[in-house]
Amino acid sequence: RKEVEQDPGPFNVPEGATVAFNCTYSNSASQSFFWYRQDCRKEPKLLMSVYSSGNEDGRFTAQLNRASQYISLLIRDSKLSDSATYLCVVNIFRQFYFGTGTSLTVIP
Amino acid sequence: DADVTQTPRNRITKTGKRIMLECSQTKGHDRMYWYRQDPGLGLRLIYYSFDVKDINKGEISDGYSVSRQAQAKFSLSLESAIPNQTALYFCATSDPREGADRTDTQYFGPGTRLTVL
Repeated sequence: RKEVEQDPGPFNVPEGATVAFNCTYSNSASQSFFWYRQDCRKEPKLLMSVYSSGNEDGRFTAQLNRASQYISLLIRDSKLSDSATYLCVVNIFRQFYFGTGTSLTVIP
Repeated sequence: DADVTQTPRNRITKTGKRIMLECSQTKGHDRMYWYRQDPGLGLRLIYYSFDVKDINKGEISDGYSVSRQAQAKFSLSLESAIPNQTALYFCATSDPREGADRTDTQYFGPGTRLTVL
């Protein structure tokens, strides 16, 4: 079983839409959680860390549910520049485990 | 200048050849990592190092070796390359002391695209 599972999509949404991605993790000992963004053929870059209390950064909101072992990312008012692959990442005992990514295309 | 650099950026080689991928960083981080990325499989950890004397195997270390020559340099070697090692390879660094939340953010190099024929 994979440590981190994501719906690969693709998600195709119009500009201005709200879109949500979910991710589940299998190890209850997971210690920290992140969303990374990866543009085509580029390196991943941190979008935001995810805290149990939930956190927001502008149009982006991340939630963590430890009891259900899932992580979510909500993007409001989608922009064309949000088109990318979003990677869910979990840290377990010093190692990072990546989901396969969810592809988002924002359409004009 | 980029904080994490990788050389070469692209490499085509033949089965059985020895290949070395190099990573250098100017961020002053102790922790360094090597990943490979394959379509449909995401990024998978090959090796990681928390300082010059600390080297650890990751999820998929078979067929690979590493060398941490200095705090700033971490090299990945394929002793005898095979076609299923064709992938995009990323180096990353981190420092859990950084950031207000100290959650050990990773910073990635631009990647090396390796093709083994």
